[in-house]
Amino acid sequence: GAVVSQHPSRVICKSGTSVKIECRSLDFQATTMFWYRQFPKQSLMLMATSNEGSKATYEQGVEKDKFLINHASLTLSTLTVTSAHPEDSSFYICSAPTSVHEQFFGPGTRLTVL
Amino acid sequence: DAKTTQPPSMDCAEGRAANLPCNHSTISGNEYVYWYRQIHSQGPQYIIHGLKNNETNEMASLIITEDRKSSTLILPHATLRDTAVYYCIVRVLGSNYQLIWGAGTKLIIKP
Repeated sequence: GAVVSQHPSRVICKSGTSVKIECRSLDFQATTMFWYRQFPKQSLMLMATSNEGSKATYEQGVEKDKFLINHASLTLSTLTVTSAHPEDSSFYICSAPTSVHEQFFGPGTRLTVL
Repeated sequence: DAKTTQPPSMDCAEGRAANLPCNHSTISGNEYVYWYRQIHSQGPQYIIHGLKNNETNEMASLIITEDRKSSTLILPHATLRDTAVYYCIVRVLGSNYQLIWGAGTKLIIKP
């Protein structure tokens, strides 16, 4: 099947710093990618839809100025958590659809903000 | 998209068939049923989907009742690596590929 990668897999940063997470589709092109956040023992929560060539669409309650999304090419979307705080510590996952029925997910990025 | 209800957890013995139920009583005629699973600390993995006919692939079988109000995901010979949270999702096809995730079923395969 298709492969989606994320980098880094794990990051620890100090409060107030910014962290960039990359999501790449390795063997297919993705005009749309999704970014999710998952807190411990909870389900995935959609944060935003990343669109190549246009602005991202954010879900209600997600601050677009805090979670910057850039869909730079058909194989790369980045999520930057700006001025990170401990409450932003979470598991961040991206996905990309390969058809109307199937999506492939990245392995996730564990963010810990001290 | 219609809401789904799944049991929070289930156990299954290794080598036996694991049957995971999902209730979607408010499903509409153009909504598909999708199953994904998430192994601990990994991204979710697509398993199977269906509209009204039963479906089978190399991973699992999907049985949808005739009234489409419920479905069952069957893992025919469960292994320890099948321990994961299994999500049943109902979605209308369209330009929006978004998936709405419920709580899922934590399936534990026991040796």
